[in-house]
Amino acid sequence: AQSVTQLGSHVSVSEGALVLLRCNYSSSVPPYLFWYVQYPNQGLQLLLKYTSAATLVKGINGFEAEFKKSETSFHLTKPSAHMSDAAEYFCAVSERGRRALTFGSGTRLQVQP
Amino acid sequence: DAGVIQSPRHEVTEMGQEVTLRCKPISGHNSLFWYRQTMMRGLELLIYFNNNVPIDDSGMPEDRFSAKMPNASFSTLKIQPSEPRDSAVYFCASSQPGQENYGYTFGSGTRLTVV
Repeated sequence: AQSVTQLGSHVSVSEGALVLLRCNYSSSVPPYLFWYVQYPNQGLQLLLKYTSAATLVKGINGFEAEFKKSETSFHLTKPSAHMSDAAEYFCAVSERGRRALTFGSGTRLQVQP
Repeated sequence: DAGVIQSPRHEVTEMGQEVTLRCKPISGHNSLFWYRQTMMRGLELLIYFNNNVPIDDSGMPEDRFSAKMPNASFSTLKIQPSEPRDSAVYFCASSQPGQENYGYTFGSGTRLTVV
C-alpha cells in the first residue's frame, strides 16, 4: 500500500525565513501527491497537487513543491514565512486509478515573530 | 458554491447512544469520502463512495459503524452503539470526476465526544 512519511512533527521558523516541510512517499510507480493545510478547528484545504505534469508545482499562498522521483520526495517550500502560515500541513498520496488519499501524520508549523 | 456541508459541527453523546453524522457533497462531485482524525492515529479513511456506491469500506472500524449514500447529494455515517474511543473529528470530503481533479474538498468536520 502507498504511504507517506513526514519528517518532523513540529517545525518552527522565524517570520521571513524559508519554510521547508519534508515528505517522502513509498511507491514503485510515481503516484499522485498532495499537500493540504489545516487551520485550527477547520477542515483541510488543498495547497497543491502533483499529477505527473510539471515536477515543480506551485500552489496557493506562495507555496510550491517539487516532485523528485530519484529521492521519492515531495517537499513543500515557501521562500518567506508569514505569521498566517502557522498551521498543520499534511502530505498525502493516492495510487493512480484510486481516488482515496492516504495522509501523512502531519507537520505543525510555528512562525515566530 | 457552499462547499461540503457537514452537520452537526459538534456532538456530545453518552456511551451506548446512536450517533448520525451527515454530509452534503458539492454538487457535481461524484466521489465522497469519510475520514476520522484523532491525535493518536491521524487521518484515517473510513469509507468512500463513487457514484453513490461504496467502493472501499476496509477502514470502517467495526460493525458498529455504517455509512450510506442514498443519493448524490447526501451521505450519513452512523455509529451504534457509540463508545468513548469513537471520540474524534469526522470529516467528509468530495471530489469531481476526471483525472485532473484528483484531490478533495473537505467539509469543516464534526467533532464527536462520547462520554
